[in-house]
Amino acid sequence: QVQLVESGGGLVKPGGSLRLSCAASGFTFSDYYMSWIRQAPGKGLEWVSYISSSGSTIYYADSVKGRFTISRDNAKNSLYLQMNSLRAEDTAVYYCARDLSSGCQFDYWGQGTLVTVSS
Amino acid sequence: DIQMTQSPSSLSASVGDRVTITCQASQDISNYLNWYQQKPGKAPKLLIYDASNLETGVPSRFSGSGSGTDFTFTISSLQPEDIATYYCQQYDNLPPTFGQGTKLEIK
Repeated sequence: QVQLVESGGGLVKPGGSLRLSCAASGFTFSDYYMSWIRQAPGKGLEWVSYISSSGSTIYYADSVKGRFTISRDNAKNSLYLQMNSLRAEDTAVYYCARDLSSGCQFDYWGQGTLVTVSS
Repeated sequence: DIQMTQSPSSLSASVGDRVTITCQASQDISNYLNWYQQKPGKAPKLLIYDASNLETGVPSRFSGSGSGTDFTFTISSLQPEDIATYYCQQYDNLPPTFGQGTKLEIK
């Protein structure tokens, strides 16, 4: 069965960095686009970034552009999000999600990892 | 960015009721719309894709309709396990954007 397991969240000071990982299993990871989506506490869903199956195409939300970097390692069935220059408003649960159609339709989600940016 | 507006923001209904949630896009998105269910403390789950297609394994009491700018999500007979927050999401244009959510409670 499809499984996505995020890790790497935690407490970080403003201006700090964190790297999130998402381990995928149960499907051919290299066939699918993947995204990161976040949810601030008590708030709605905000798409953060996506990466194509090969890694050649990447998009970011304006709110994270220039600070976050998405990447993947198809040999390791893993997705990553390097987050730099973190701000309080980046505090959220971060989900990795599989793209059903390479067009931002998210059919499987991980359980999420909480990132808290606070001094 | 395309803005997605859901209504109502919250809804209280009884078991067995028919429940309807609407989602309006700020511009024409054809049928490029998904609906998700999120239970407390859990990740969202895809229920409806392409505005009206039921994801595999999702009960048939859930349905979706609409195209262009106006969309509807319906639960034909509310069950206790349907208590959740529901989100619409457009994928016509980048960035993909979500509605603000509709929190569904049992009366």
